[in-house]
Amino acid sequence: GAGVSQSPSNKVTEKGKDVELRCDPISGHTALYWYRQSLGQGLEFLIYFQGNSAPDKSGLPSDRFSAERTGGSVSTLTIQRTQQEDSAVYLCASSSDRAGEQYFGPGTRLTVT
Amino acid sequence: GIQVEQSPPDLILQEGANSTLRCNFSDSVNNLQWFHQNPWGQLINLFYIPSGTKQNGRLSATTVATERYSLLYISSSQTTDSGVYFCAPLYGNNRLAFGKGNQVVVIP
Repeated sequence: GAGVSQSPSNKVTEKGKDVELRCDPISGHTALYWYRQSLGQGLEFLIYFQGNSAPDKSGLPSDRFSAERTGGSVSTLTIQRTQQEDSAVYLCASSSDRAGEQYFGPGTRLTVT
Repeated sequence: GIQVEQSPPDLILQEGANSTLRCNFSDSVNNLQWFHQNPWGQLINLFYIPSGTKQNGRLSATTVATERYSLLYISSSQTTDSGVYFCAPLYGNNRLAFGKGNQVVVIP
């Protein structure tokens, strides 16, 4: 079936604005993950969903970051009052279960000007 | 958290050569994945390998979990093998921890 999809592929926003990033996991995958990749920090974990619950939010860098998942499928990552240090590629992954093989989407490149 | 070290950080290969990439990790893990990040940034799954050895074409991987390392072998390298290779152990049962990657350039 189709892989993980993310939208938009690119987003340019002004500092202080809010942004929403979307992830559509592989159909039937119960686990969903958000990561981000930046030059300074490499690839880092943000949040994990099992179904609609987020038992591990420990990677979110600040309270400006939040995420939700609805219907056990689509997830949205929201960044409020964006800062320049939020510029990165935001990657979504899904797996069939909690410890299963993770498959990544193409990412959303966020640029905060 | 867990520390992941990959070596060598940069590698230049002549087309047709073989190479070994190494990944050391600092804690016990439940599983481990290897990825190839292509020039467009997409992470391509190579191996899902908690222990033992797996082969896929010209690539193979070995994980020795008890000694906390994994190896990725590339044989008869091709220019399409260029890119960044990431090792990512799974820890805490839900998150991948990434190393800084091995930047591989294969020249014709």
